[in-house]
Amino acid sequence: AQRVTQPEKLLSVFKGAPVELKCNYSYSGSPELFWYVQYSRQRLQLLLRHISRESIKGFTADLNKGETSFHLKKPFAQEEDSAMYYCALDRRGKLIFGQGTELSVKP
Amino acid sequence: NAGVTQTPKFRILKIGQSMTLQCTQDMNHNYMYWYRQDPGMGLKLIYYSVGAGITDKGEVPNGYNVSRSTTEDFPLRLELAAPSQTSVYFCASRTGTGRTGELFFGEGSRLTVL
Repeated sequence: AQRVTQPEKLLSVFKGAPVELKCNYSYSGSPELFWYVQYSRQRLQLLLRHISRESIKGFTADLNKGETSFHLKKPFAQEEDSAMYYCALDRRGKLIFGQGTELSVKP
Repeated sequence: NAGVTQTPKFRILKIGQSMTLQCTQDMNHNYMYWYRQDPGMGLKLIYYSVGAGITDKGEVPNGYNVSRSTTEDFPLRLELAAPSQTSVYFCASRTGTGRTGELFFGEGSRLTVL
């Protein structure tokens, strides 16, 4: 079955430390993967998508088909990065989300 | 543009009552979705629609119904509310899939069933 797994419910780091939020997926076809973010009191919004290979707010994510992973990385975390992060897989129109990882960046 | 609008924002229901969560979007998006968000469980897809007149089940459809009579509106109906349906519900829409498929979310509707 196609699914998305985010193994960490909570990730706590200090400001300036590197961050890696893990995402693993299972999908038989060519995956379309996304990261969405929900800041406190704001709507869920798109952070980045793998197809564009872009860097948003210093975050990057590389699709590793061999390891079926799409981990989100940032070299130096900022306090304003504290939020809930969701990895998502587009399964022919259905967008399936992982369980989410809460990132807490401490000063 | 207002984007995706959900009503009500908050609601308390008694067990066995019914209600409809309203969702409307003004972006002329074909695809619309209903998710529920539970702590530690992430977002679970309830129902989705790829266009007016077409709906399909998601991961957790039991206890819910939807309709899509227009492109703009995608209401979610709860029949015989149960405590397990206490959750935050999100409606979302997008214009296409894959690389074009940025999802736009509503602000959410917090439902409590007592």
